[in-house]
Amino acid sequence: EIVLTQSPGTLSLSPGERATLSCRASQSVSSSYLAWYQQKPGQAPRLLIYAASSRATGIPDRFSGSGSGTDFTLTISRLEPEDFAVYYCQQFGSSLYTFGQGTKLEIK
Amino acid sequence: QVQLVESGGGLVKPGGSLRLSCTASGFTFSDYYMSWIRQAPGKGLEWVSYSSSGGGTISYADSVKGRFTISRDNAKNSLYLQMNSLRAEDTAVYYCARDRYSTSYHYFDYWGQGTLVTVSS
Repeated sequence: EIVLTQSPGTLSLSPGERATLSCRASQSVSSSYLAWYQQKPGQAPRLLIYAASSRATGIPDRFSGSGSGTDFTLTISRLEPEDFAVYYCQQFGSSLYTFGQGTKLEIK
Repeated sequence: QVQLVESGGGLVKPGGSLRLSCTASGFTFSDYYMSWIRQAPGKGLEWVSYSSSGGGTISYADSVKGRFTISRDNAKNSLYLQMNSLRAEDTAVYYCARDRYSTSYHYFDYWGQGTLVTVSS
């Protein structure tokens, strides 16, 4: 089973700043099978990015994804107040899905 | 618009059983893989199981294999999760999600609001 490790665990930034979230896999992951989600308290997760770098429908262009192999990144170019939430990466391999443990993005 | 509505959660004793349901609307249910994903209180997301569009291909997380059974009724636009031999560590919000399973990508594009399962004596 591929383990995804997200860092940092908590990221404290101010609105308008740039956020860089990391997702590292224990073995190589197909870029096509890497996705990112946003979750706010009391809500279901929302798909942001699929296939490592493709934005989901309706997702603002301040969200971008990149990476390959074992290292993937979610970047939020200019933080808006509504972006403060928990972010998860997810991969598929060997007929199983796994999620990272999440990065909490909080207001500084 | 796509809607997924889970039901069937509740309080159950350790060793007990529960059946979750997910009713889909706004898309052709029989064309899509579907998954169950859970989230323990204050914890992260854990994928539980998926079913192919016709129900012929199924996979489970090791943590539930042999205890949980996923099924679907395409005529009723419904997905199910039969949970047996429940343990305290199965306590979680259970989400139903549309699974974009293909040779090109794998992700969950729509999620329900979840149903809470609490396993406690």
